Parts: sequence; C-alpha cells; structure tokens
Amino acid sequence: AQSVAQPEDQVNVAEGNPLTVKCTYSVSGNPYLFWYVQYPNRGLQFLLKYITGDNLVKGSYGFEAEFNKSQTSFHLKKPSALVSDSALYFCAVAANTGGFKTIFGAGTRLFVKA
Amino acid sequence: GAGVSQSPSNKVTEKGKDVELRCDPISGHTALYWYRQRLGQGLEFLIYFQGNSAPDKSGLPSDRFSAERTGESVSTLTIQRTQQEDSAVYLCASSAEAGGFNQPQHFGDGTRLSIL
Repeated sequence: AQSVAQPEDQVNVAEGNPLTVKCTYSVSGNPYLFWYVQYPNRGLQFLLKYITGDNLVKGSYGFEAEFNKSQTSFHLKKPSALVSDSALYFCAVAANTGGFKTIFGAGTRLFVKA
Repeated sequence: GAGVSQSPSNKVTEKGKDVELRCDPISGHTALYWYRQRLGQGLEFLIYFQGNSAPDKSGLPSDRFSAERTGESVSTLTIQRTQQEDSAVYLCASSAEAGGFNQPQHFGDGTRLSIL
C-alpha cells in the first residue's frame, strides 16, 4: 500500500541554523514527491516536487529536498532558517498503484526561534 | 492570476442542518480535490474530480456527504444532517493535469465549518 511518513511532529531550530524536515515513503511504482507549507488559517502552498532526474530539487523560499531512492526518503532542507519559515510542512507522494492517488503525510510543525 | 477560491470562509450551523461548500478552481484546471483537515491534523482525502466526473469517491466518510462539479469548473460539497464530528476545515485544491498526478495541487484557504 502507498504511504508517507513524517516521523517528527515538531522540529525546533534557531534562526540562521540549517533545518531538516524528514519524510519517508512507501510505494510500489515510481513516486512523484511533493512538499507543501501551510501558514495559519491558509491553504497549503506548493514548495517543490521531484518527478525524475536530478535527485536534489530546489524550490521556493530557498528550500530544497533530496530524493534518496535506496532510503525511500525525501527530506526537506534549508541552509539557513528564518523565523518566517515557522509553519506546518506536509510531504506528499503520488504513484500509479492501479490508478494515481496522492497521499499526504501528517505534517511537521517547524518552529524557528530568533 | 486568480487562485482557488472557496466560500464561505467560515460557516457556523446547528447540528442536523445541511451545508453546502463551494469551490472555484483555477481556470483551466481539469482536476479538483476536496480534503478535510481536523484541528491540528493532516489532510483527509474526500473526493477527486477529473473534469465533471468523480473517479475516486473513496474518501467520503458517509452517505451524508456528496459532491458535484459542473462545467469543469465550480464544485460544491454538500453535507446533510450535519453532526458535531463534521466540524473541520474543508480544503479544495485544483491541478492542471488530471491523469498524471505529477502537477502540484493549488489550494484554497478553506471553509472552516463549526457544528454547534
């Protein structure tokens, strides 16, 4: 069955430090992988996606993510965190498992402290 | 350009009443999705439209929930005989490609539904 896991409910990081938000997935076919961010009282905003090609994907607001097929991971990273990055982050995976379906992780809340 | 628009932004109603939630997707987007997000939780898939048809209704929680889409545009999600457990934010999203799922979804800001 298709699934996505975000093992950390919350990540705390100091402003200026690098951040990582973890995501692992399980699919039987080739995955399409996405990261979204949600600010309070707003819908989700697309950050970046991996479809094929280079394993390092760069996205909006200085975020990037690395696709690791052997570890079935797609961790979100940023070299230097900003207080304004504090939000709820969702990883999502889509795959053709007898019909495409997109599954979202449970979300990780990122707190960046000044 | 205009994004996904949802209305109303907030809805408070009494238990047992019917409610109708509206979603206006981005013009030209063929795929449309409804999700439910309970307070502090992730997204729960409800239904997906490809054009005006719904190939995947597997997420609808009960027969009190229904959705339709007309003109490959506006969609409405209807909840009949509302219950307190229906209280949540209902999010709508649209995307440019219906079959491949390799396009990102564009979300509205949701309708916050509160059942008294």
